[in-house]
Amino acid sequence: GAGVSQTPSNKVTEKGKYVELRCDPISGHTALYWYRQSLGQGPEFLIYFQGTGAADDSGLPNDRFFAVRPEGSVSTLKIQRTERGDSAVYLCASSFRASGSIIEQFFGPGTRLTVL
Amino acid sequence: QKEVEQNSGPLSVPEGAIASLNCTYSDRVSQSFFWYRQYSGKSPELIMSIYSNGDKEDGRFTAQLNKASQYVSLLIRDSQPSDSATYLCAVSRESSGDKLTFGTGTRLAVRP
Repeated sequence: GAGVSQTPSNKVTEKGKYVELRCDPISGHTALYWYRQSLGQGPEFLIYFQGTGAADDSGLPNDRFFAVRPEGSVSTLKIQRTERGDSAVYLCASSFRASGSIIEQFFGPGTRLTVL
Repeated sequence: QKEVEQNSGPLSVPEGAIASLNCTYSDRVSQSFFWYRQYSGKSPELIMSIYSNGDKEDGRFTAQLNKASQYVSLLIRDSQPSDSATYLCAVSRESSGDKLTFGTGTRLAVRP
């Protein structure tokens, strides 16, 4: 079946602009996660949705970052007043409960954000 | 101390050898452990998950977990050049909503 999809695949913007990044999870997955990955680093957690609500937004770096998931499926990560330090690959993952108690997350292809 | 630590490598092994990748974690309440493979320019791909002490095998891959030592490893048998990638170790605990905490990854190079 279809995996997690993310659009756009690449986004170049200028410092100070607003951007929206979209994630479409695997059908039937109720949990959705946003991470960002800088070069040479592992992905860093940003926010997690269970259904429509943000269950954990402790990873959002500041109030310029916001995410929504209004119907419990597609999610949008919004970044206001972008800064050069926001440049990274933004990854979305969705999950289901596998055998036992383990919950496995599957990642989309990512959106490479470049802030000039 | 980082929450999840991995040797950045590169780890170089000849084709057909066993590659051994290691990861330590600091949070004792971590419950689930994952290995992701990431090719250059691509997103992480889940290859193994484990939550019980001991070994878990899937094809050429074996994950080993030792909670007492806070150590998880990945063995790749009969390594192939196509296994050359960065391997990311990730941990989660249910009380933190299953968010994953990643190490920085170990780069594996399998030479023909």
